[in-house]
Amino acid sequence: DVKVTQSSRYLVKRTGEKVFLECVQDMDHENMFWYRQDPGLGLRLIYFSYDVKMKEKGDIPEGYSVSREKKERFSLILESASTNQTSMYLCASSLSPRGYGYTFGSGTRLTVV
Amino acid sequence: DQQVKQNSPSLSVQEGRISILNCDYTNSMFDYFLWYKKYPAEGPTFLISISSIKDKNEDGRFTVFLNKSAKHLSLHIVPSQPGDSAVYFCAASAGRTSGSARQLTFGSGTQLTVLP
Repeated sequence: DVKVTQSSRYLVKRTGEKVFLECVQDMDHENMFWYRQDPGLGLRLIYFSYDVKMKEKGDIPEGYSVSREKKERFSLILESASTNQTSMYLCASSLSPRGYGYTFGSGTRLTVV
Repeated sequence: DQQVKQNSPSLSVQEGRISILNCDYTNSMFDYFLWYKKYPAEGPTFLISISSIKDKNEDGRFTVFLNKSAKHLSLHIVPSQPGDSAVYFCAASAGRTSGSARQLTFGSGTQLTVLP
């Protein structure tokens, strides 16, 4: 069974901490994505990557960065966590080039206090 | 400015009846549309999709209708079952790509509750 695995289900971090959210996929997908889900706002794209070491900003990249050193792993980094980054974070991957359907991980619920 | 809108945050339906979930979009460049279902504490899972060259796509109990002139799509579930209770997200893609990544823009979701 193909999978997108997010390393943590729940995280609690303090304001100002550097936070790493890890995502690993075992489907050999080129494309990987980070979204956040907030009530009333749906899923909003933070960053995505279409190849190793390649990254592109999504709709809400401010306060975030990403790293993709290996094809299967895509990390989201909060350089200095703030309370407005409290959210559900979802990682997804898709095939290239006609991969319309994403496979999502189970999500990481991050609380910044 | 949300390009994909789901104006109903919630919908309750009796088991066995039809559920109709609606989605509107503003970007005329969108050419592919998808519906995802999300249970609590799980990631969204792909449900059904439709290309802009079609106006209907059916898969078992699920049918998606696309009205391009109205920039509107809907998901019909017939008959509805209690296990269908979940948040449903509408998503759209504009055909532009960066590298080979095809981006999806999601709506805000509709919580469907199917009552036994």
